[in-house]
Amino acid sequence: GAVVSQHPSWVICKSGTSVKIECRSLDFQATTMFWYRQFPKQSLMLMATSNEGSKATYEQGVEKDKFLINHASLTLSTLTVTSAHPEDSSFYICSATQGTSNTEAFFGQGTRLTVV
Amino acid sequence: GEDVEQSLFLSVREGDSSVINCTYTDSSSTYLYWYKQEPGAGLQLLTYIFSNMDMKQDQRLTVLLNKKDKHLSLRIADTQTGDSAIYFCAESPSDSWGKLQFGAGTQVVVTP
Repeated sequence: GAVVSQHPSWVICKSGTSVKIECRSLDFQATTMFWYRQFPKQSLMLMATSNEGSKATYEQGVEKDKFLINHASLTLSTLTVTSAHPEDSSFYICSATQGTSNTEAFFGQGTRLTVV
Repeated sequence: GEDVEQSLFLSVREGDSSVINCTYTDSSSTYLYWYKQEPGAGLQLLTYIFSNMDMKQDQRLTVLLNKKDKHLSLRIADTQTGDSAIYFCAESPSDSWGKLQFGAGTQVVVTP
């Protein structure tokens, strides 16, 4: 199957700083990428949908100025958590789909963010 | 409340069958999925079923779909210790392909 790689796998940052998480499709072109957030022992909640070359679509309740998403190419999307606070500590996971097939979204391995 | 619901915990003995249940609300869902997540890791797609199917079997995995009751189940035959993980049920609305609505996940613990 297709491979989606996230980097970094984990990051610790100080409160008030910004953190960038990368999501790459390694062997296919991802027309759409999705960013999810997962709190401990909870499900994944969709944060935003990202299409290459256009602005991301954010889910209700997600601050677009805080969670900046850039999808500059068909193989890379980035999520930047700006002015991070401890409550932003979470597990962030991206997924990517190729073409218009509705069979599978490929997930990255996730990024554990801890804000201290 | 959540659109996709699952029981939170299942304990099963090694060698027995596991059955994880899920209910969903969006009748327009085109595909329904089962994902596996091991500690600290991303999601691994186990299997999926198209909404016009009743059953799908893939080696030790059997998916049953009751579209009338909006009920989905995953049966794992001959459960092994390596099957211990969190299993997520997810649905994909027909108008938002790739965008998944997940259940809360079922923690499966396999005991020797």
